[in-house]
Amino acid sequence: EVRLVESGGALVQPGGSLRLSCAASGFTFDDYGMHWVRQTPGKGLEWVALVTWDGGDAFYGTSVKGRFTISRDNSNNSLHLQMNSLRGDDSGIYYCVKDNEVAGFDVWGQGILVTVSS
Amino acid sequence: VLTQSPDTLPLSPGERATLSCRASQSLSRTSFAWYQQKPGQAPRLLIYSASTRATGVPDRFSGSGSGADFTLTISSIEPEDFAVYYCLQHSRSPYTFGQGTKLEIK
Repeated sequence: EVRLVESGGALVQPGGSLRLSCAASGFTFDDYGMHWVRQTPGKGLEWVALVTWDGGDAFYGTSVKGRFTISRDNSNNSLHLQMNSLRGDDSGIYYCVKDNEVAGFDVWGQGILVTVSS
Repeated sequence: VLTQSPDTLPLSPGERATLSCRASQSLSRTSFAWYQQKPGQAPRLLIYSASTRATGVPDRFSGSGSGADFTLTISSIEPEDFAVYYCLQHSRSPYTFGQGTKLEIK
């Protein structure tokens, strides 16, 4: 069974940092690109970032570019999102999502809550 | 930008549902998908490549369209279909979702 499990969500103050992780199982992790997608009250579903299968390339949504960094560790089947300079509108549920070139975003984790507030 | 309509769709079980997603520019059919989200759950892939049902999706769900206009149809709504539906374009970064259509019980 394909499974994605996020961790690392927390309450953090504005301007702070947080690192999310995602543990993948049930598929050949290093065959696929991986995304982070978030869901916020203000913007609904928003694509955050993509890292290619080998970690060689990364792409970011406009609202997080320069503040967030996506990375992966293929030896541990894990995906990460380093979030810096956090703002209130970064609050929401963050999903780890497997990419499929044909089917798009085909498998989603259960999500993890990030709250940015003083 | 993807714009879904309507925002809310009140219907009864057994009725037909037609949900629309319009793109601000023409998209490849192979880069268009539909998702279903129920409260407290992650989105679930329903349709990819505009018209291909994902594994396990009942055949009452169908997708159609091309260019900038895409449609999700539920031929006869079942009680478990009341949820929020999102469209997605994954043609080019930044990938974008529609704002969602809430299918609610009339």
